[in-house]
Amino acid sequence: TQLLEQSPQFLSIQEGENLTVYCNSSSVFSSLQWYRQEPGEGPVLLVTVVTGGEVKKLKRLTFQFGDARKDSSLHITAAQPGDTGLYLCAGALFNAGNMLTFGGGTRLMVKP
Amino acid sequence: ETGVTQTPRHLVMGMTNKKSLKCEQHLGHNAMYWYKQSAKKPLELMFVYNFKEQTENNSVPSRFSPECPNSSHLFLHLHTLQPEDSALYLCASSQDGSEVDTQYFGPGTRLTVL
Repeated sequence: TQLLEQSPQFLSIQEGENLTVYCNSSSVFSSLQWYRQEPGEGPVLLVTVVTGGEVKKLKRLTFQFGDARKDSSLHITAAQPGDTGLYLCAGALFNAGNMLTFGGGTRLMVKP
Repeated sequence: ETGVTQTPRHLVMGMTNKKSLKCEQHLGHNAMYWYKQSAKKPLELMFVYNFKEQTENNSVPSRFSPECPNSSHLFLHLHTLQPEDSALYLCASSQDGSEVDTQYFGPGTRLTVL
């Protein structure tokens, strides 16, 4: 069992649709990060959430940190082909310093 | 060059070979990391160096040996690897290794062990 469970693992949608990716755990995190990784590249940080209940928006992307700091979601509005990629959540446990625990990832494909 | 670079980008090696992966960061950071990304598992942290000192070895087999000669360079020496070690090896760096430090990743080295 993974410490951070991401769902769904795969998602294929049409351009213009909305989607939500979930990241769940039974552990409490001091912060949680979302990354996007494209083929042949390393992950690139999208956002860091640190406060329970926090909501952050990045253009068409909305990130939420659960009140209990155990889960997070990423919502994309009106998806575009450029959103295609692997989305990873990563959590920092309390007193774990800079050691991140990654979820298994959600592979998103947005078809034109 | 800017950011985090890794060489080689692709590597094929036999189980008896010895090879090294190189990572260089041009961001003035003080913390560097090695991760393993395989198809069937989440991204796994292998080693952490803070200010050139190894602060974490995440139960990695001794056939992987890291080296950090200075804060800009990180190596991963490989010997007697197994086919299951085939994966994408990612290097990352961050400013000072604090809890909410942003980690910047390199493009990775795709390793295949025959």
